[in-house]
Amino acid sequence: QVQLVQSGAEVKKPGASVKVSCKASGYPFSGYYLHWMRRAPGQGLEWMGRIDPNRGGTSYAQKFQGRVSMTRDTSTSTVYLELSRLRSDDTAMYYCAREVSLNPDYWGQGTLVTVSS
Amino acid sequence: QSALTQPPSASGSPGQSVTISCTGTSSDIGVYNYVSWYQQHPGRAPKLMIYEVTKRSSGVPDRFSGSKSGNTASLTVSGLQAEDEADYFCSSYGGSNNFVVFGGGTKLTVL
Repeated sequence: QVQLVQSGAEVKKPGASVKVSCKASGYPFSGYYLHWMRRAPGQGLEWMGRIDPNRGGTSYAQKFQGRVSMTRDTSTSTVYLELSRLRSDDTAMYYCAREVSLNPDYWGQGTLVTVSS
Repeated sequence: QSALTQPPSASGSPGQSVTISCTGTSSDIGVYNYVSWYQQHPGRAPKLMIYEVTKRSSGVPDRFSGSKSGNTASLTVSGLQAEDEADYFCSSYGGSNNFVVFGGGTKLTVL
């Protein structure tokens, strides 16, 4: 069955970077775009961007341009989200999800990133 | 503040029907038929229930149905059951600049 398994919780200081992984299984990794979203405490879900695992092409939300990087490793069917220059308002649950019909279908379990001095 | 607007809560008794709305704009829901609905239980990953406005995801009971009128999409849960108690949120394709937009979520309580 389709599974997306994310890496564990992270605690970072302001100004640092964080890299979250999302390992896919149960389907052809290169056949589906993968998205990253986040939900900050008390806020709604926010789309951050997506990556084409086949060619590595990316598309980022304007809000995160210059601070976000999405990459993939086809040998391990894993995509990565790296967010730099972290601020306290980057504290959130981060999710990866596969795309079908221009929307996410299967989601990872989420990775809590806490930014605190 | 979310791009799509949902009521924060909804409720119904077992066996009843409840409808949850999701209001967007003429740049997302109003122009694209790519609206999805998700169910999320506490501590669990979201589960796709409805996609492309009306299509049920595999294994989803036919008690769940979706519709759209203008800029507003709706999820109807008929014959409410205790296990339907969860958070529900919507999403829509929003065009190339803001690819996916989401609602803030609705907490459904089965009384």
